Amino acid sequence: EPEVTQTPSHQVTQMGQEVILRCVPISNHLYFYWYRQILGQKVEFLVSFYNNEISEKSEIFDDQFSVERPDGSNFTLKIRSTKLEDSAMYFCASSARRGGTDNYGYTFGSGTRLTVV
Amino acid sequence: EDQVTQSPEALRLQEGESSSLNCSYTVSGLRGLFWYRQDPGKGPEFLFTLYSAGEEKEKERLKATLTKKESFLHITAPKPEDSATYLCAVQGGGNNRKLIWGLGTSLAVNP
Repeated sequence: EPEVTQTPSHQVTQMGQEVILRCVPISNHLYFYWYRQILGQKVEFLVSFYNNEISEKSEIFDDQFSVERPDGSNFTLKIRSTKLEDSAMYFCASSARRGGTDNYGYTFGSGTRLTVV
Repeated sequence: EDQVTQSPEALRLQEGESSSLNCSYTVSGLRGLFWYRQDPGKGPEFLFTLYSAGEEKEKERLKATLTKKESFLHITAPKPEDSATYLCAVQGGGNNRKLIWGLGTSLAVNP
């Protein structure tokens, strides 16, 4: 069964450092997303991406965040200068249809646990 | 403001003991209500999408229903492998496609 792959599974970084979280979405999907989940809190939307541009972003997704699809398979989330409050599980997802409104929804990766110290 | 509330926060069942999980929502123009299952250390796994009040969908021991204010996930004769956190999310109308999530119900099924 096709899956979304995220690397690394865990990342520890110093406050103020840049991190890049990587994702390989399902190959025939066109819509890509980043969500995050702070421990004990709700899953939160960060950004959606389609046709090489951001289609929607949340208030969390400020100038410190950026996304890129550098080639035909990878989808990355960069945090330029990490803060303690960026510590969370970051999930990448992809869907065949915009918003995942079909019988398959979003396919999520297993996440990257980011710890900022 | 769009909001999703799930109850109970945690539920412990004996194997075979059927029950229901609740998802109450407020959203401007519901486009879809989603149920996902999440195992520890994993990403959410898609279960169902419901689009309109009165709609029902089934998958194995799970059945999801939708009204104008809430959704229920009915679990019939659960097994230990159904133990997981069940997440509900809504997608509103307009140009937004982001999902608004509930906190989830942590289900434990004892053998």
